[in-house]
Amino acid sequence: EAGVAQSPRYKIIEKRQSVAFWCNPISGHATLYWYQQILGQGPKLLIQFQNNGVVDDSQLPKDRFSAERLKGVDSTLKIQPAKLEDSAVYLCASSLDFPGYEQYFGPGTRLTVT
Amino acid sequence: QQQVKQSPQSLIVQKGGISIINCAYENTAFDYFPWYQQFPGKGPALLIAIRPDVSEKKEGRFTISFNKSAKQFSLHIMDSQPGDSATYFCAASIGGYKLSFGAGTTVTVRA
Repeated sequence: EAGVAQSPRYKIIEKRQSVAFWCNPISGHATLYWYQQILGQGPKLLIQFQNNGVVDDSQLPKDRFSAERLKGVDSTLKIQPAKLEDSAVYLCASSLDFPGYEQYFGPGTRLTVT
Repeated sequence: QQQVKQSPQSLIVQKGGISIINCAYENTAFDYFPWYQQFPGKGPALLIAIRPDVSEKKEGRFTISFNKSAKQFSLHIMDSQPGDSATYFCAASIGGYKLSFGAGTTVTVRA
């Protein structure tokens, strides 16, 4: 079974630029999550989708972050404009159902904002 | 605010020794407590999980001990191996919804 795919793996941008991350969950998984993992910290949930609907986005900084999940499969997370404090690893995870007791994580995208 | 507090931040153990990582929580509504293992450059992977109706769960060399009254739970890695060197995260949620992670513990197993 293929795992959660993410791209790009690494991204370096300057502050005030925009960036987008892509995630392809495990086939058949209904729930998709985006986490932010700052160096030395645990992952923090940003947003979770059930199929293509948003279940929770209470910790998403909506003034600069946006996310969508088209057709209940792939998802993109966008930051516009980026700030220095957005430097982190952005992890995508998926689970078979909702709520997802077992979440499968992708390798993440490491974002550096200079 | 951090809902799950994890300690220590790092630990070093000799091969064959026991690694112990502790976590504490405040929200008594939490009813699902997983542990995740993360290797450098990889995403976290579910290792073992427990619910508050049991005090201990064992899977191979990994054991979770759960103390509901103290609102604490811990991971024990028995017979630690170099391949266990990784960062371990405890987490908690209500019904599997909105996992809150601890800050992580980096375990180094010396051969």
